[in-house]
Amino acid sequence: QQQVKQSPQSLIVQKGGISIINCAYENTAFDYFPWYQQFPGKGPALLIAIRPDVSEKKEGRFTISFNKSAKQFSLHIMDSQPGDSATYFCAASMETSGSRLTFGEGTQLTVNP
Amino acid sequence: NAGVTQTPKFRVLKTGQSMTLLCAQDMNHEYMYWYRQDPGMGLRLIHYSVGEGTTAKGEVPDGYNVSRLKKQNFLLGLESAAPSQTSVYFCASSYRTLSNYGYTFGSGTRLTVV
Repeated sequence: QQQVKQSPQSLIVQKGGISIINCAYENTAFDYFPWYQQFPGKGPALLIAIRPDVSEKKEGRFTISFNKSAKQFSLHIMDSQPGDSATYFCAASMETSGSRLTFGEGTQLTVNP
Repeated sequence: NAGVTQTPKFRVLKTGQSMTLLCAQDMNHEYMYWYRQDPGMGLRLIHYSVGEGTTAKGEVPDGYNVSRLKKQNFLLGLESAAPSQTSVYFCASSYRTLSNYGYTFGSGTRLTVV
């Protein structure tokens, strides 16, 4: 049972474009929604995270949009750069459950120069 | 400050062999986790620990055992390896409250079972 569904599986954008990755979750008890970035041969690294009491969080070129009623959240990468080429994972967690993260399937982003 | 260190980085096992993956963290994190990563499936939780001496099952615990005898170490054991356990294994650690810090992941162990 996949509680967090992520799309698309792969994404190709041109340098300077906007990359958008979407996630949908089922469990309304989730209270923490992070995005992780993973480069080949490395472990995932926290990129940005949001809690359900806000609808948007921005850090530099990265923005999370959160729609609590639709149980969806998305990652927007503005002015995408070749160095952003990586695999991105959304995730969700409940602090009452030992902070276990449930991950989406992942999106492989390629930014062409 | 090494963060989360996993050993070994690569391993090839024959079906039926056993092995232990070691995870060590130096950040005094309370919580530790073992995930496996398979193509198209994201990361799936195998086992986790919320403190020294405690462990709990995650989403895909069958065929694995864990121990956390010291706060800084979390061991993952495969008693009788199967080809279905071919995967990349990641250890992670975190504070009790994820807040702005989230997980710190190790660099992974690539395991092949033949």
